[in-house]
Amino acid sequence: GEDVEQSLFLSVREGDSSVINCTYTDSSSTYLYWYKQEPGAGLQLLTYIFSNMDMKQDQRLTVLLNKKDKHLSLRIADTQTGDSAIYFCAESASNTGKLIFGQGTTLQVKP
Amino acid sequence: DSGVTQTPKHLITATGQRVTLRCSPRSGDLSVYWYQQSLDQGLQFLIHYYNGEERAKGNILERFSAQQFPDLHSELNLSSLELGDSALYFCASSVALGTGSNEQFFGPGTRLTVL
Repeated sequence: GEDVEQSLFLSVREGDSSVINCTYTDSSSTYLYWYKQEPGAGLQLLTYIFSNMDMKQDQRLTVLLNKKDKHLSLRIADTQTGDSAIYFCAESASNTGKLIFGQGTTLQVKP
Repeated sequence: DSGVTQTPKHLITATGQRVTLRCSPRSGDLSVYWYQQSLDQGLQFLIHYYNGEERAKGNILERFSAQQFPDLHSELNLSSLELGDSALYFCASSVALGTGSNEQFFGPGTRLTVL
């Protein structure tokens, strides 16, 4: 079946790195995504990774994918207070285009 | 700004009523997806349209329906509303049919409150 799991909360200090983890079940997912949701706002696509890649870096963001363990992580370097938000991991269900989302991880950044 | 627009931003109505939520995709995007975000269910896929045709359905209730018009805007109709339908409804658009990287760009959402 299709299921995506995330831890619910992460608290870090400003300037530290944040690592948000996600596990998924659909081994046929070809793309995995990270979205950010700020209070009262829609979802902002941060980055995505193709399933045949192990890593993707985009400025302060690094995505790591362990396909064998179906584990995805998002690392935010030099975390800022503006990074405080809910982060959603999502997998693309095979050939339907629909996204299956995790419950979201609330990132709290303390000054 | 994702380029996806949704109206209205907020909607307050009573049980038993019917409402219509509207979405305009990004220029050039042919796919429109509808999602529901609630505290108990999280973010759930409802339905996908591509160039006017329904392509996939998720856990969409029979009381809900959607369509995509020739100008590619989409409407989600919710009828016989119940308290449990209170949620944030998001529309997302993408260029592709559902294959490839299929990056979906989300609108700001419509917050529906059923009293």
